[in-house]
Amino acid sequence: QLQLQESGPGLVKPSETLSLTCTVSGGSMNRNAYYWGWIRQPPGKGLEWIGTIYYTGSTYHNPSLKSRVTISVDTSKSQFSLKLSSVTAADTAVYYCARSTVTSWGNWFDPWGQGTLVTVSS
Amino acid sequence: QSVLTQPPSVSGAPGQRVTISCTGSSSNIGAGYDVHWYQQLPGTAPKLLIYDNNNRPSGVPDRFSGSKSGTSASLAISGLQAEDEADYYCQSYDSSLSGSLFGGGTKLTVL
Repeated sequence: QLQLQESGPGLVKPSETLSLTCTVSGGSMNRNAYYWGWIRQPPGKGLEWIGTIYYTGSTYHNPSLKSRVTISVDTSKSQFSLKLSSVTAADTAVYYCARSTVTSWGNWFDPWGQGTLVTVSS
Repeated sequence: QSVLTQPPSVSGAPGQRVTISCTGSSSNIGAGYDVHWYQQLPGTAPKLLIYDNNNRPSGVPDRFSGSKSGTSASLAISGLQAEDEADYYCQSYDSSLSGSLFGGGTKLTVL
Protein backbone atom coordinates (compact mmCIF):
# COMPACT_ATOMS: atom_id res chain seq x y z
CA GLN A 1 0.00 0.00 0.00
CA LEU A 2 1.46 3.31 -1.09
CA GLN A 3 2.14 5.77 1.71
CA LEU A 4 3.43 9.33 1.69
CA GLN A 5 4.95 11.23 4.60
CA GLU A 6 5.83 14.92 4.76
CA SER A 7 8.77 16.15 6.81
CA GLY A 8 10.42 19.48 7.50
CA PRO A 9 10.53 22.43 9.90
CA GLY A 10 7.26 23.45 11.48
CA LEU A 11 8.35 27.06 11.93
CA VAL A 12 9.87 29.34 9.31
CA LYS A 13 10.77 33.00 9.67
CA PRO A 14 9.28 35.62 7.33
CA SER A 15 11.32 36.20 4.14
CA GLU A 16 13.07 32.84 4.52
CA THR A 17 12.58 29.67 2.48
CA LEU A 18 10.18 26.90 3.45
CA SER A 19 11.57 23.45 2.68
CA LEU A 20 9.61 20.21 2.86
CA THR A 21 10.26 16.65 1.75
CA CYS A 22 7.77 13.92 0.94
CA THR A 23 8.93 10.34 1.31
CA VAL A 24 7.10 7.71 -0.71
CA SER A 25 6.95 4.12 0.50
CA GLY A 26 5.20 0.96 -0.66
CA GLY A 27 5.57 1.67 -4.36
CA SER A 28 7.76 3.08 -7.09
CA MET A 29 7.82 6.72 -8.17
CA ASN A 30 8.97 5.72 -11.66
CA ARG A 31 5.64 4.80 -13.17
CA ASN A 32 3.79 6.25 -16.12
CA ALA A 33 0.61 8.21 -15.41
CA TYR A 34 1.69 9.04 -11.88
CA TYR A 35 2.81 12.52 -10.93
CA TRP A 36 3.61 13.79 -7.45
CA GLY A 37 2.02 16.89 -6.02
CA TRP A 38 1.99 19.43 -3.25
CA ILE A 39 -1.24 20.95 -1.91
CA ARG A 40 -1.67 23.32 1.00
CA GLN A 41 -4.50 24.36 3.30
CA PRO A 42 -4.35 27.55 5.41
CA PRO A 43 -5.96 27.15 8.83
CA GLY A 44 -9.73 27.09 8.48
CA LYS A 45 -9.59 27.52 4.71
CA GLY A 46 -9.75 25.44 1.56
CA LEU A 47 -7.24 23.49 -0.50
CA GLU A 48 -4.78 25.12 -2.89
CA TRP A 49 -2.72 23.25 -5.47
CA ILE A 50 0.93 24.30 -5.30
CA GLY A 51 2.60 22.21 -7.96
CA THR A 52 3.27 18.80 -9.42
CA ILE A 53 6.35 16.91 -10.63
CA TYR A 54 6.91 13.87 -12.80
CA TYR A 55 9.67 11.39 -12.00
CA THR A 56 11.63 12.72 -14.97
CA GLY A 57 11.74 16.14 -13.32
CA SER A 58 9.08 17.92 -15.38
CA THR A 59 7.22 20.36 -13.15
CA TYR A 60 4.00 22.35 -13.18
CA HIS A 61 3.31 25.16 -10.73
CA ASN A 62 0.35 27.24 -9.70
CA PRO A 63 0.86 30.59 -11.47
CA SER A 64 0.00 32.44 -8.26
CA LEU A 65 3.07 30.91 -6.61
CA LYS A 66 5.23 30.00 -9.56
CA SER A 67 8.03 32.50 -9.07
CA ARG A 68 8.58 31.34 -5.48
CA VAL A 69 8.14 27.59 -5.89
CA THR A 70 10.76 24.96 -6.64
CA ILE A 71 9.81 21.29 -6.76
CA SER A 72 12.40 18.57 -7.23
CA VAL A 73 12.49 14.77 -7.20
CA ASP A 74 15.04 12.19 -6.11
CA THR A 75 13.75 8.81 -7.20
CA SER A 76 16.77 7.02 -5.72
CA LYS A 77 15.51 8.10 -2.31
CA SER A 78 11.81 7.86 -3.23
CA GLN A 79 11.42 11.49 -2.29
CA PHE A 80 10.22 14.73 -3.78
CA SER A 81 10.66 18.15 -2.27
CA LEU A 82 9.12 21.59 -2.09
CA LYS A 83 10.88 24.89 -1.59
CA LEU A 84 8.86 28.09 -1.21
CA SER A 85 10.91 31.25 -1.01
CA SER A 86 10.24 34.66 0.55
CA VAL A 87 7.51 33.34 2.81
CA THR A 88 5.04 35.54 4.65
CA ALA A 89 2.35 34.84 7.23
CA ALA A 90 0.00 34.10 4.33
CA ASP A 91 2.03 30.95 3.64
CA THR A 92 1.12 29.50 7.03
CA ALA A 93 -0.73 26.30 6.21
CA VAL A 94 -0.89 22.55 6.44
CA TYR A 95 1.16 21.25 3.54
CA TYR A 96 0.17 17.92 1.97
CA CYS A 97 1.96 15.76 -0.53
CA ALA A 98 -0.02 13.36 -2.70
CA ARG A 99 0.25 11.11 -5.70
CA SER A 100 -1.50 12.44 -8.78
CA THR A 101 -3.00 10.03 -11.30
CA VAL A 102 -3.12 11.67 -14.70
CA THR A 103 -5.52 10.82 -17.51
CA SER A 104 -6.40 12.44 -20.81
CA TRP A 105 -9.06 14.48 -19.05
CA GLY A 106 -7.32 15.62 -15.91
CA ASN A 107 -5.89 14.23 -12.72
CA TRP A 108 -6.81 13.30 -9.17
CA PHE A 109 -4.86 13.04 -5.93
CA ASP A 110 -4.70 9.78 -4.02
CA PRO A 111 -3.28 8.85 -1.61
CA TRP A 112 -2.36 11.86 0.51
CA GLY A 113 0.20 12.27 3.24
CA GLN A 114 -1.03 13.16 6.69
CA GLY A 115 0.05 16.76 6.25
CA THR A 116 2.46 18.97 8.15
CA LEU A 117 1.70 22.37 9.64
CA VAL A 118 4.16 25.08 8.72
CA THR A 119 3.88 28.36 10.59
CA VAL A 120 5.55 31.49 9.31
CA SER A 121 6.46 33.69 12.24
CA SER A 122 9.42 35.51 13.68
CA GLN B 1 -9.58 33.96 -12.59
CA SER B 2 -10.40 30.27 -12.57
CA VAL B 3 -12.81 29.23 -9.84
CA LEU B 4 -14.83 26.18 -8.85
CA THR B 5 -17.79 27.36 -6.79
CA GLN B 6 -19.31 25.23 -4.04
CA PRO B 7 -21.95 26.16 -1.44
CA PRO B 8 -20.25 26.91 1.89
CA SER B 9 -22.54 24.58 3.78
CA VAL B 10 -25.30 22.00 3.43
CA SER B 11 -27.16 20.00 6.03
CA GLY B 12 -29.49 17.08 6.32
CA ALA B 13 -31.02 14.69 8.81
CA PRO B 14 -29.83 11.10 9.19
CA GLY B 15 -31.21 8.94 6.39
CA GLN B 16 -31.83 11.86 4.07
CA ARG B 17 -30.17 12.62 0.73
CA VAL B 18 -28.09 15.74 0.15
CA THR B 19 -26.31 17.10 -2.89
CA ILE B 20 -23.31 19.38 -3.17
CA SER B 21 -22.81 21.37 -6.35
CA CYS B 22 -19.56 22.42 -8.00
CA THR B 23 -19.82 25.08 -10.70
CA GLY B 24 -16.94 25.79 -13.02
CA SER B 25 -16.33 27.39 -16.40
CA SER B 26 -15.15 26.80 -19.93
CA SER B 27 -11.54 26.40 -18.85
CA ASN B 28 -12.22 23.48 -16.53
CA ILE B 29 -15.43 21.46 -16.20
CA GLY B 30 -16.98 23.03 -19.28
CA ALA B 31 -13.94 22.07 -21.33
CA GLY B 32 -14.65 18.43 -20.59
CA TYR B 33 -12.17 17.87 -17.80
CA ASP B 34 -13.19 15.35 -15.20
CA VAL B 35 -14.32 16.25 -11.69
CA HIS B 36 -13.11 14.55 -8.55
CA TRP B 37 -14.41 14.76 -4.99
CA TYR B 38 -12.65 14.54 -1.64
CA GLN B 39 -13.92 14.08 1.90
CA GLN B 40 -12.00 15.71 4.72
CA LEU B 41 -12.95 14.61 8.21
CA PRO B 42 -12.01 17.02 11.02
CA GLY B 43 -8.27 17.08 11.66
CA THR B 44 -7.41 14.64 8.88
CA ALA B 45 -6.05 14.74 5.35
CA PRO B 46 -8.47 14.78 2.42
CA LYS B 47 -9.52 11.38 1.11
CA LEU B 48 -10.50 10.64 -2.49
CA LEU B 49 -14.23 9.97 -2.62
CA ILE B 50 -15.13 10.09 -6.33
CA TYR B 51 -12.83 10.18 -9.34
CA ASP B 52 -13.56 10.79 -13.01
CA ASN B 53 -16.97 12.28 -12.25
CA ASN B 54 -18.73 9.18 -11.02
CA ASN B 55 -16.29 6.44 -10.02
CA ARG B 56 -15.81 5.30 -6.43
CA PRO B 57 -12.45 4.03 -5.18
CA SER B 58 -12.49 0.69 -3.45
CA GLY B 59 -13.96 0.98 0.02
CA VAL B 60 -16.16 4.02 -0.61
CA PRO B 61 -19.82 3.18 0.09
CA ASP B 62 -22.26 3.34 -2.82
CA ARG B 63 -24.20 5.94 -0.84
CA PHE B 64 -21.80 8.39 -2.46
CA SER B 65 -22.30 9.19 -6.13
CA GLY B 66 -21.16 11.86 -8.57
CA SER B 67 -22.40 13.38 -11.78
CA LYS B 68 -21.32 16.02 -14.26
CA SER B 69 -23.17 18.10 -16.82
CA GLY B 70 -22.05 21.12 -18.77
CA THR B 71 -19.99 23.41 -16.54
CA SER B 72 -21.17 21.82 -13.28
CA ALA B 73 -20.85 18.67 -11.23
CA SER B 74 -22.62 17.30 -8.19
CA LEU B 75 -21.89 14.98 -5.32
CA ALA B 76 -24.87 13.14 -3.86
CA ILE B 77 -24.90 11.44 -0.49
CA SER B 78 -27.86 9.23 0.27
CA GLY B 79 -28.79 7.56 3.54
CA LEU B 80 -26.97 10.29 5.44
CA GLN B 81 -25.04 9.11 8.50
CA ALA B 82 -23.46 11.01 11.36
CA GLU B 83 -20.03 9.88 10.19
CA ASP B 84 -20.55 11.74 6.91
CA GLU B 85 -20.18 15.06 8.70
CA ALA B 86 -17.09 16.54 7.03
CA ASP B 87 -15.83 19.05 4.50
CA TYR B 88 -16.19 18.09 0.85
CA TYR B 89 -14.09 19.47 -2.01
CA CYS B 90 -14.41 19.19 -5.76
CA GLN B 91 -11.34 19.34 -8.00
CA SER B 92 -10.73 19.54 -11.73
CA TYR B 93 -8.01 20.39 -14.19
CA ASP B 94 -7.98 23.97 -15.43
CA SER B 95 -6.40 24.88 -18.75
CA SER B 96 -5.78 28.48 -17.68
CA LEU B 97 -3.79 27.29 -14.67
CA SER B 98 -2.30 24.37 -16.53
CA GLY B 99 -2.91 22.54 -13.31
CA SER B 100 -5.34 21.48 -10.63
CA LEU B 101 -8.13 23.62 -9.26
CA PHE B 102 -10.05 22.95 -6.06
CA GLY B 103 -13.46 24.22 -5.08
CA GLY B 104 -13.78 26.27 -1.92
CA GLY B 105 -15.21 23.36 0.02
CA THR B 106 -18.62 22.57 1.51
CA LYS B 107 -19.20 21.76 5.15
CA LEU B 108 -21.80 19.03 5.60
CA THR B 109 -23.67 19.03 8.88
CA VAL B 110 -25.73 16.01 9.87
CA LEU B 111 -28.57 17.33 11.99
